[in-house]
Amino acid sequence: EDQVTQSPEALRLQEGESSSLNCSYTVSGLRGLFWYRQDPGKGPEFLFTLYSAGEEKEKERLKATLTKKESFLHITAPKPEDSATYLCAVSNNTNAGKSTFGDGTTLTVKP
Amino acid sequence: DTGVSQDPRHKITKRGQNVTFRCDPISEHNRLYWYRQTLGQGPEFLTYFQNEAQLEKSRLLSDRFSAERPKGSFSTLEIQRTEQGDSAMYLCASSPRGSPYEQYFGPGTRLTVT
Repeated sequence: EDQVTQSPEALRLQEGESSSLNCSYTVSGLRGLFWYRQDPGKGPEFLFTLYSAGEEKEKERLKATLTKKESFLHITAPKPEDSATYLCAVSNNTNAGKSTFGDGTTLTVKP
Repeated sequence: DTGVSQDPRHKITKRGQNVTFRCDPISEHNRLYWYRQTLGQGPEFLTYFQNEAQLEKSRLLSDRFSAERPKGSFSTLEIQRTEQGDSAMYLCASSPRGSPYEQYFGPGTRLTVT
């Protein structure tokens, strides 16, 4: 069974203080690893898909990387508006339509 | 394009009652997904459709849950004989034909069972 573990559960940063969120996964044949952002009371917002180890994707202050066992979401010089819960999910080659999510990292950026 | 919409946004029901939720995906998205999310947890997969065909259903889903997508457009999720443990946010997502893994989520329906 696919498993996703995210750490830390919560992260508090000062504005401009760069850091990384971790997503460790176990999957039988990775089809894709996905990062989402979720604001309170809203549905998740798609950020990135990574397909193979070594792949990197960037969007504004966010950069996602992938190895064979984990993914990192690097946040460079964060701003208060980056405060949200960041979710990681995986799908496997057998049931590509089914995504298994982690429980997320809640990021708070203080001005 | 207004994105994925869900109706109602909030539903309060008494234990034992049946409830039905509706999801309208982004137009021309051929895949539609249902998830359940409780506070502090990530979304939990329930089921997904490709056009009108239901291709996968979670083993966690009991016989009280059923989903349909009769014409490959909107979808409904019905919960029969609701229990307090069904209280959660029910999320719908859709993805386009060319990018099946980019899931666009709706705002969710929050269900409270009293």
